[in-house]
Amino acid sequence: SQTIHQWPATLVQPVGSPLSLECTVEGTSNPNLYWYRQAAGRGLQLLFYSVGIGQISSEVPQNLSASRPQDRQFILSSKKLLLSDSGFYLCACLQGRDTQYFGPGTRLTVL
Amino acid sequence: DQQVKQNSPSLSVQEGRISILNCDYTNSMFDYFLWYKKYPAEGPTFLISISSIKDKNEDGRFTVFLNKSAKHLSLHIVPSQPGDSAVYFCAAFGGATNKLIFGTGTLLAVQP
Repeated sequence: SQTIHQWPATLVQPVGSPLSLECTVEGTSNPNLYWYRQAAGRGLQLLFYSVGIGQISSEVPQNLSASRPQDRQFILSSKKLLLSDSGFYLCACLQGRDTQYFGPGTRLTVL
Repeated sequence: DQQVKQNSPSLSVQEGRISILNCDYTNSMFDYFLWYKKYPAEGPTFLISISSIKDKNEDGRFTVFLNKSAKHLSLHIVPSQPGDSAVYFCAAFGGATNKLIFGTGTLLAVQP
């Protein structure tokens, strides 16, 4: 079965600092990978998705970016964090409509 | 533009009674709908899904109803248990793509 790893689990960063969140997937190949953010009162917002290495689609304009350097690795980055970037970030792996897995998430607090 | 909406941010129900969570969507291209349960600081876990060719799907205590003409779906939990207390998200697959669009979530509290 598939397993999604995310790290770090929690992160506290000052405004203006850079960010790198990593997601890796085990147990599958060529998955569709997704980054979601859960912010207070805003549900789960799709940020980026990738259907393959180097292929990134951005869903919302923001100061975040994503990269997929390897088949089972998905990275969320920022050069300068904003207060509004605080939230719970989830990586997900979807293989078709019947198979969806979510990682444990990263709690980011920007101060 | 919120394509999947859950208008009730919270719901409180007595143990043993029915919980009804509602979800509305705007995109007529959605054809597959799912409900997820999420505890704090954890990833969502899949509960139940329904294809647009059906109007009802049942799995144990969980039943999802789909009304395509109204672009509305609901999750019924019967009987509700304290362990069901969590945030529930409805989600929909965006047309021909594999983008999963989530609603804003409803916090369910089941009182013992």
